Amino acid sequence: ETGVTQTPRHLVMGMTNKKSLKCEQHLGHNAMYWYKQSAKKPLELMFVYNFKEQTENNSVPSRFSPECPNSSHLFLHLHTLQPEDSALYLCASSQERDGSGANVLTFGAGSRLTVL
Amino acid sequence: AQSVTQLDSHVSVSEGTPVLLRCNYSSSYSPSLFWYVQHPNKGLQLLLKYTSAATLVKGINGFEAEFKKSETSFHLTKPSAHMSDAAEYFCVVSDSGGYNKLIFGAGTRLAVHP
Repeated sequence: ETGVTQTPRHLVMGMTNKKSLKCEQHLGHNAMYWYKQSAKKPLELMFVYNFKEQTENNSVPSRFSPECPNSSHLFLHLHTLQPEDSALYLCASSQERDGSGANVLTFGAGSRLTVL
Repeated sequence: AQSVTQLDSHVSVSEGTPVLLRCNYSSSYSPSLFWYVQHPNKGLQLLLKYTSAATLVKGINGFEAEFKKSETSFHLTKPSAHMSDAAEYFCVVSDSGGYNKLIFGAGTRLAVHP
């Protein structure tokens, strides 16, 4: 276990369903991230929350809606997704400015999403 | 703007032979560089990081990488591959200040044969 827990690990949903992905970190970090990992493409940053405030939204479609109620929890609400949204969604956390000048991310195991 | 290129999408080695995974970067700033590894059905795990200290960086599981500014490279090496090294490896560049400005390479899948 990395200290970042994602649920569910696998999710199959229809295009009209509403579902949510959950991420929880037990590391005391102050920043949390959602990444999308699709086959044959580099990791795509979707959202960043720092101290619970959204600081980055990389032109993500509104059918993806993030929520960060506190610095330990991050959700990704899904609504009317498309088949091309099928991917591995990775949550990560970090402590901003870890002292070395490098921004080390700790990743969860991911939620494998299939949209039918 | 930063970018990172992993020169090989697949690398195949025999167990016990050296591993070389190649990465070139482009950065306007003094970059931080990372290698992450992803085993099947797992998240990404940090192998090592370079942050303008020693140019030869040692990481976990016997991996190391050398920062070569003149060649804009940060290749990952291991003297002797183990079966458990089979995974996907990502080279990542970060600018000097942004906590979220990480650019991931496309990944190199390492296969290790007995």
